[in-house]
Amino acid sequence: EPEVTQTPSHQVTQMGQEVILRCVPISNHLYFYWYRQILGQKVEFLVSFYNNEISEKSEIFDDQFSVERPDGSNFTLKIRSTKLEDSAMYFCASSVSVSHEQFFGPGTRLTVL
Amino acid sequence: QKEVEQDPGPLSVPEGAIVSLNCTYSNSAFQYFMWYRQYSRKGPELLMYTYSSGNKEDGRFTAQVDKSSKYISLFIRDSQPSDSATYLCAASSGGSYIPTFGRGTSLIVHP
Repeated sequence: EPEVTQTPSHQVTQMGQEVILRCVPISNHLYFYWYRQILGQKVEFLVSFYNNEISEKSEIFDDQFSVERPDGSNFTLKIRSTKLEDSAMYFCASSVSVSHEQFFGPGTRLTVL
Repeated sequence: QKEVEQDPGPLSVPEGAIVSLNCTYSNSAFQYFMWYRQYSRKGPELLMYTYSSGNKEDGRFTAQVDKSSKYISLFIRDSQPSDSATYLCAASSGGSYIPTFGRGTSLIVHP
């Protein structure tokens, strides 16, 4: 069964460093999303992406964040200068169309020291 | 902003019990209501979603929405140890497919 994959599973970085989280969405999906979940808190939407453009973003997704689809398979989230409060689980998701049926990856745990 | 609220639990039940998981929401613009299951170290998995008020059944799972009281429920019949997970409710408005999540309720089904 096709699934969304994410790498790495755990990333540790120093405050102020740049990180890139990688996702491979399901191959025939056209809509891509990033969410985050701070430990013990709710899953929060960051950004959605379609046709090489951001289609929607939350107030969390400020200038420190960017997304890219560098090739036909990967979808990345870059955090330019990490802060302690960026420590969270980051989930990528994809869907065939604009839909509630979004398929989530297993997540990348980001720890900022 | 406390738009979708859930009791975090944990809720512990014996195998075979009927489980009732509940959420409340505050945003009257919400039209779509979703339930996700999240196993440890995994991403959320969409179980089912409903539009507006009413019931929806899928196997052992029944989702129920009461828009008049802003109350969302998920019932699990004949619960199994494999149902042990965190259950997230979520809602979205008619113009968006982006869910607003609750905190999740941890369910433990013991043999």
